[in-house]
Amino acid sequence: AQKITQTQPGMFVQEKEAVTLDCTYDTSDPSYGLFWYKQPSSGEMIFLIYQGSYDQQNATEGRYSLNFQKARKSANLVISASQLGDSAMYFCAMRAMNSGYSTLTFGKGTMLLVSP
Amino acid sequence: KAGVTQTPRYLIKTRGQQVTLSCSPISGHRSVSWYQQTPGQGLQFLFEYFSETQRNKGNFPGRFSGRQFSNSRSEMNVSTLELGDSALYLCASSLPAGAGETDTQYFGPGTRLTVL
Repeated sequence: AQKITQTQPGMFVQEKEAVTLDCTYDTSDPSYGLFWYKQPSSGEMIFLIYQGSYDQQNATEGRYSLNFQKARKSANLVISASQLGDSAMYFCAMRAMNSGYSTLTFGKGTMLLVSP
Repeated sequence: KAGVTQTPRYLIKTRGQQVTLSCSPISGHRSVSWYQQTPGQGLQFLFEYFSETQRNKGNFPGRFSGRQFSNSRSEMNVSTLELGDSALYLCASSLPAGAGETDTQYFGPGTRLTVL
């Protein structure tokens, strides 16, 4: 079984600053994938970034990067140069890669508010 | 390429009724998963379908059921609605990849169900 923990219920950041959203995970699977999704108030979950457990380098996608520390079982999302449109809920999720399923296990989420 | 579509977007029902929600995946995607999102329980996995077969199921009562059609479209049904079934129901589609491969799920806008 997998477990995702997001300890920050809410985060505040000023526009143009960088922010780190924390995610720790627990799994007995040797091969797994870690995902971050953004959920605006409209409700749709938007895929942001993916990190595989055997990837040697941290994933990056534009202003998003994933600080992956395997030994600490953490997969923090870093958003550089925050924008007002980044205000949303952010979810960390994982999938067991050898399960044969696409099923994701989600954390409780972090609400990010970006102020002008 | 069109994204995942869900209909209806909003639904109001009364206790004891049943409801059917529909999901059309991204063209070419063959796996469809359903999730329930509530403020108290967060995002919980309902079931996953691939090639018209349910291949994984979450811990929900038998009142929750689903199916997938040959064109990969999926429906979920909730019978004998209870107040606690009020939630955002999210559908996600993926290719899917085989075991050990990246398999990103892309979500639809959700159906917001209110049970009175």
